Amino acid sequence: GEDVEQSLFLSVREGDSSVINCTYTDSSSTYLYWYKQEPGAGLQLLTYIFSNMDMKQDQRLTVLLNKKDKHLSLRIADTQTGDSAIYFCAESMRDDKIIFGKGTRLHILP
Amino acid sequence: EAGVAQSPRYKIIEKRQSVAFWCNPISGHATLYWYQQILGQGPKLLIQFQNNGVVDDSQLPKDRFSAERLKGVDSTLKIQPAKLEDSAVYLCASSSRQGPPKLFFGSGTQLSVL
Repeated sequence: GEDVEQSLFLSVREGDSSVINCTYTDSSSTYLYWYKQEPGAGLQLLTYIFSNMDMKQDQRLTVLLNKKDKHLSLRIADTQTGDSAIYFCAESMRDDKIIFGKGTRLHILP
Repeated sequence: EAGVAQSPRYKIIEKRQSVAFWCNPISGHATLYWYQQILGQGPKLLIQFQNNGVVDDSQLPKDRFSAERLKGVDSTLKIQPAKLEDSAVYLCASSSRQGPPKLFFGSGTQLSVL
């Protein structure tokens, strides 16, 4: 089946690390993604990871993939007010079909 | 490089009326997607084109929704007749066939059905 699950909300203090989690069901997914959506805008690709990797780092972003448990996480170091947005986990399926989760709303506390 | 263009930005119609959305993908991108995003939810794939052929339209309500991508470039999505539950943001995205599929999204069309 095709399903991507995420928790709906996360509150983090400015300067702390944020960790957003996701689980997916399709073990044949080739790529897993994190997208960011700010109010009134479309989704913006933040980062992605190939399914045979277990970690990818890109500046303040760290992606961890546990393929056995079908669990993906996004860690944002030194969270800033500009990181306030909705974060979507997504998986690629056969024929480049991309399925999205419901999104995690990240709220930054001063 | 120009991004994905969508129009109109907003549309308000009454139920049972018709509406059409337009999308112009990034130049050279072979794959085009239409997603429906209901408030508070993630994007739901409606239809995926590869050039001008349909790859997946399993979640498109075909009794009222239709989409086409003539000449493999621009695309239109039509709803006829609209229902209240069609109120959502309709997002268009495109990707190239080189490397991992990376979607580039337009700003979307926000549809309100009254």
